[in-house]
Amino acid sequence: SQTIHQWPATLVQPVGSPLSLECTVEGTSNPNLYWYRQAAGRGLQLLFYSVGIGQISSEVPQNLSASRPQDRQFILSSKKLLLSDSGFYLCAWSVLATGELFFGEGSRLTVL
Amino acid sequence: DAKTTQPPSMDCAEGRAANLPCNHSTISGNEYVYWYRQIHSQGPQYIIHGLKNNETNEMASLIITEDRKSSTLILPHATLRDTAVYYCIVRVTYFGNEKLTFGTGTRLTIIP
Repeated sequence: SQTIHQWPATLVQPVGSPLSLECTVEGTSNPNLYWYRQAAGRGLQLLFYSVGIGQISSEVPQNLSASRPQDRQFILSSKKLLLSDSGFYLCAWSVLATGELFFGEGSRLTVL
Repeated sequence: DAKTTQPPSMDCAEGRAANLPCNHSTISGNEYVYWYRQIHSQGPQYIIHGLKNNETNEMASLIITEDRKSSTLILPHATLRDTAVYYCIVRVTYFGNEKLTFGTGTRLTIIP
């Protein structure tokens, strides 16, 4: 069966520090991968999606970047965090045939 | 992608049917309607999806109007565990574009 792992679960970082959130999927090949962010009390905002290794599409200009170094690995990064980067970050993968999205458990980032 | 509009919040008595509406007036012929829900601080969970015909599974029923401009998610016998934010999204798939965009959803509260 397919599983998705996302870490760390909780992160508290000072303004200006770097960020790396990692997501891996098991049990499937060539998944479409996504990073979403949810600010407090808000809906889900799509940040990045990837249809293959090295292929990243960015939805919103921002302080973040994403990379896909391996087929089932998706990384969200920042060189210098801003206060506005605080939020709940969710990684997801989808099956192309059905479009069903499977989400990780999320990473809660607090920037102080 | 077609945009969706949902009421921001709804209440439903426990044991009654919860009917959650969604408008997607700009939906295209090849776009599917998907429903997800998000319980507090967890990743969203897939509920159901459809194209033209009404659909039913163990969780819910999906009613899509004949012109496909709106749909209704029905939870037949709501329980307290159904309290969550419900998202309606539309999706089209073609090679290289798998963007799935969520709106702000409907916050459903089940009243004991």
